[in-house]
Amino acid sequence: NAGVMQNPRHLVRRRGQEARLRCSPMKGHSHVYWYRQLPEEGLKFMVYLQKENIIDESGMPKERFSAEFPKEGPSILRIQQVVRGDSAAYFCASQMGREVEQYFGPGTRLTVT
Amino acid sequence: SQQGEEDPQALSIQEGENATMNCSYKTSINNLQWYRQNSGRGLVHLILIRSNEREKHSGRLRVTLDTSKKSSSLLITASRAADTASYFCATIGGGADGLTFGKGTHLIIQP
Repeated sequence: NAGVMQNPRHLVRRRGQEARLRCSPMKGHSHVYWYRQLPEEGLKFMVYLQKENIIDESGMPKERFSAEFPKEGPSILRIQQVVRGDSAAYFCASQMGREVEQYFGPGTRLTVT
Repeated sequence: SQQGEEDPQALSIQEGENATMNCSYKTSINNLQWYRQNSGRGLVHLILIRSNEREKHSGRLRVTLDTSKKSSSLLITASRAADTASYFCATIGGGADGLTFGKGTHLIIQP
């Protein structure tokens, strides 16, 4: 049973470009979370999705950021018109149900030049 | 302010000694979890303790939870060099959907 998969592992974008980060949850997991980690910081919750539904996006910046978890395929975190401050590690986690542990992917390290 | 705050921020001990890290939080919780992160890597789930539990063991790990003090501790016994990592507590509750992480304790085990 493969763990949570994220790709790409590293992504370099110039200011103004778009970044697309992908997350494939563990088999049988229908809950997906995205987190952002700045250097020397803990992870900050961004968004919680179930299949085809955004449940809680209270941690997402209001502009330029969007997330989806379609019926088929991976969850996508999309950042439009990236800025230097978007440089961070982005982790996704999946969960079988509520109130149980979340399993994290290896992360995508985004660098905006 | 942080929901989960680990203490100390950094800890360096000799291999074989025990390492204790503490975590404090502010709102009510459903459960509290501890994670480990090796440098530049993803997080590994260590242990989950529910709000109605007071202590839990898993191998060399022992976690306690005191909901009256809103605090938890993680004890790693007989530490090994491979335990060198950052350790984070994370809570869920207070109406939030995602985990709320502290800034972590960076643990260094000296061989």
